[in-house]
Amino acid sequence: AQKITQTQPGMFVQEKEAVTLDCTYDTSDQSYGLFWYKQPSSGEMIFLIYQGSYDEQNATEGRYSLNFQKARKSANLVISASQLGDSAMYFCAMREGDKLIFGTGTRLQVFP
Amino acid sequence: NAGVTQTPKFQVLKTGQSMTLQCAQDMNHEYMSWYRQDPGMGLRLIHYSVGAGITDQGEVPNGYNVSRSTTEDFPLRLLSAAPSQTSVYFCASSEIRGTGNTIYFGEGSWLTVV
Repeated sequence: AQKITQTQPGMFVQEKEAVTLDCTYDTSDQSYGLFWYKQPSSGEMIFLIYQGSYDEQNATEGRYSLNFQKARKSANLVISASQLGDSAMYFCAMREGDKLIFGTGTRLQVFP
Repeated sequence: NAGVTQTPKFQVLKTGQSMTLQCAQDMNHEYMSWYRQDPGMGLRLIHYSVGAGITDQGEVPNGYNVSRSTTEDFPLRLLSAAPSQTSVYFCASSEIRGTGNTIYFGEGSWLTVV
């Protein structure tokens, strides 16, 4: 069974608009962490945002926010005011114990 | 502060050859791990370590060996390379076992096995 599911292989958004990238996860642990990473065409992995399973508030980092719905086991990334430089692959990941498990990613393309 | 350093960045191997991908971090992190990234597959965990002398298998460990003799270094060995091991490899480290919220990645190593 997939531990991390990203159902959107690709997304398009117009510059300055907001976009939501979906992520659902599966775990029986009570303590876990959820991450989002950005991978531009140059290949490096850039950390965006983190949500701990016990955090009551949704995480925010600048234009990025994580819509954490624990009961639904979802951790969607919201990017507000999209910029052309946001075009990249986006990966959701879950830390379960000592393992960090990634989803298959969503390719976001921002157009003018 | 160099962060996580991977070498080499690019490598071409012939089937059956062996090689070692090097990974070093200068942040005194306990946790280090290796991933491979294939098209459409995201990153898959190969091996990980929670401290010197301790290693464990991830999702796709077959064909790879690791060791952790020091806190700083976590090399990944391919004993007999196969075309199926053509991939991009990432090393990562983090500060606190199991609870760290910042995981640092190396820049990746592009490996082609012909």
